[in-house]
Amino acid sequence: EDKVVQSPLSLVVHEGDTVTLNCSYEVTNFRSLLWYKQEKKAPTFLFMLTSSGIEKKSGRLSSILDKKELSSILNITATQTGDSAIYLCAVNPGANSKLTFGKGITLSVRP
Amino acid sequence: GAVVSQHPSRVICKSGTSVKIECRSLDFQATTMFWYRQFPKQSLMLMATSNEGSKATYEQGVEKDKFLINHASLTLSTLTVTSAHPEDSSFYICSANPGRIAGGPSEDTQYFGPGTRLTVL
Repeated sequence: EDKVVQSPLSLVVHEGDTVTLNCSYEVTNFRSLLWYKQEKKAPTFLFMLTSSGIEKKSGRLSSILDKKELSSILNITATQTGDSAIYLCAVNPGANSKLTFGKGITLSVRP
Repeated sequence: GAVVSQHPSRVICKSGTSVKIECRSLDFQATTMFWYRQFPKQSLMLMATSNEGSKATYEQGVEKDKFLINHASLTLSTLTVTSAHPEDSSFYICSANPGRIAGGPSEDTQYFGPGTRLTVL
């Protein structure tokens, strides 16, 4: 059975801190790994990673995939209270296929 | 681009009634859409894969006669919760994949609708 594990499950930091969120996976087929941010509503897309070692960056957020280690990290620098959310990692085994999600990481950024 | 809408955003109904939730891809066509359910403080749980022009594929443990899915066109999938009960109260979310055919950003990226919060009294 495909499995995606995220860690830690939750963390609390102060504004300005840097955080690293982890995602590891054990799947039969791998096509891409996706990161989403979920606040009060549905998840919003952050990054899609397909190749090992290539960092994707968007403002203070960045992510990288390590296919050898079957893992990915999501970094957030200079955190702000608006970064407080659940961060979901999912693996896509193929085109138009169902995603396997991790349980999510709850990030709380305190002022 | 790659916008998915859902309607209604919130619905309250009495036990025993049926509720229909619509999921639309606004600027692309989607042969496949996905329906998820999320209970408070839990991750997304895939209920079914909706396929345009054919029957939906349900995940294990999801009753297909209770959660009716219709994917009548390339831009619309509907989920009908039949004879709803309080335990069906949840956050229902759909997602769709723009796909290469539609010229979307990536055939792998699933975009989520804003979700529908269902409360059954």
